[in-house]
Amino acid sequence: GAGVSQSPSNKVTEKGKDVELRCDPISGHTALYWYRQSLGQGLEFLIYFQGNSAPDKSGLPSDRFSAERTGGSVSTLTIQRTQQEDSAVYLCASGDPGPTEKLFFGSGTQLSVL
Amino acid sequence: KQEVTQIPAALSVPEGENLVLNCSFTDSAIYNLQWFRQDPGKGLTSLLLIQSSQREQTSGRLNASLDKSSGRSTLYIAASQPGDSATYLCAVYNTDKLIFGTGTRLQVFP
Repeated sequence: GAGVSQSPSNKVTEKGKDVELRCDPISGHTALYWYRQSLGQGLEFLIYFQGNSAPDKSGLPSDRFSAERTGGSVSTLTIQRTQQEDSAVYLCASGDPGPTEKLFFGSGTQLSVL
Repeated sequence: KQEVTQIPAALSVPEGENLVLNCSFTDSAIYNLQWFRQDPGKGLTSLLLIQSSQREQTSGRLNASLDKSSGRSTLYIAASQPGDSATYLCAVYNTDKLIFGTGTRLQVFP
């Protein structure tokens, strides 16, 4: 596609439920990132994929959070047993690896946990 | 641990003014620094990328400078327009990821 696509754009869930967020990166981009943006806060790094492997998972806030990437393309971020503090915008970005390339961001998934 | 700070947090100016947004970072061992724009309800748009070996980059009315040794970058916006209203984020590339500041919320009124 022309850009990074994320779905759903909005998700409302009840506390304790599991949710899956999807990211379709730009075709050919090998690097994929997940960030979280809470209300009034900056972007918080969650996880980085290079191909299908995740060399840096240091930002995942707890073991309720996991992510995978298949075929070097689509990635899903799963949050189990959601809590109200998980409410945020979850942003995905893709790019070519290395420090010389720009990252391209999707529009994000607004997650609200009631 | 790398920390990125942006000042001011918010800025409201009349159309036509020249603006300077500031970004500082604590660890000078960066590969690059990027400036992004974020519009409400939307993702981020990359504006400028400065490599660690560079001093500045320009795109249209935007100019970004980098002083790696002092841990500072500035984004200069010339002749501001209402369409420039957005949140501007600076981010530094450390090892394998971008670390973001909390942004400057800019409003340009006619």
